[in-house]
Amino acid sequence: GQQLNQSPQSMFIQEGEDVSMNCTSSSIFNTWLWYKQDPGEGPVLLIALYKAGELTSNGRLTAQFGITRKDSFLNISASIPSDVGIYFCAGQPLQYNFNKFYFGSGTKLNVKP
Amino acid sequence: GAVVSQHPSWVICKSGTSVKIECRSLDFQATTMFWYRQFPKQSLMLMATSNEGSKATYEQGVEKDKFLINHASLTLSTLTVTSAHPEDSSFYICSADAGTELQPQHFGDGTRLSIL
Repeated sequence: GQQLNQSPQSMFIQEGEDVSMNCTSSSIFNTWLWYKQDPGEGPVLLIALYKAGELTSNGRLTAQFGITRKDSFLNISASIPSDVGIYFCAGQPLQYNFNKFYFGSGTKLNVKP
Repeated sequence: GAVVSQHPSWVICKSGTSVKIECRSLDFQATTMFWYRQFPKQSLMLMATSNEGSKATYEQGVEKDKFLINHASLTLSTLTVTSAHPEDSSFYICSADAGTELQPQHFGDGTRLSIL
């Protein structure tokens, strides 16, 4: 399968701080998705990106599709305790014309009140 | 909104047992569904692409005879873990290709499989 490198692996921050995480790939992707997963549940879609250079926001979350189509980042501003969880990027390789995605290794976010 | 139902949510069984997990799209048709496996504190690893009316496409390293996939209708895909062993214990999650930009995939809530 495809290799997506996601960093950082984990983060410990204070409530109110901003957070940034990113994913890179050795191959070009059509689509980048960002998910949040709580323990024992399926992932929940946060943001979907479909065009190189696209910058999309969802409340306090902002994500961008890199110009090279090989990377994406997710920013969370003014973090709150309920932001705690594991965040995954997911990418759709260029050769697929249907929604087949590979996932990054995840970033575990801890927010201290 | 669209929902994917996965059943069972949790199963414990003895080594050597075969276990079937169902993934249903409740209010939309899905010609393509996906099966993922997630070990504790790790990422979702794509196992296979389930295609309605045809054979599943397995990712490299996934044993197709071990993980049998059947997608007999546009709303149901099943994953059967045959002769399960403790190393097969994991969180199995399915998703359905919703084909929309707002929600490219709809995920089930996962099945926690524990093999004793």
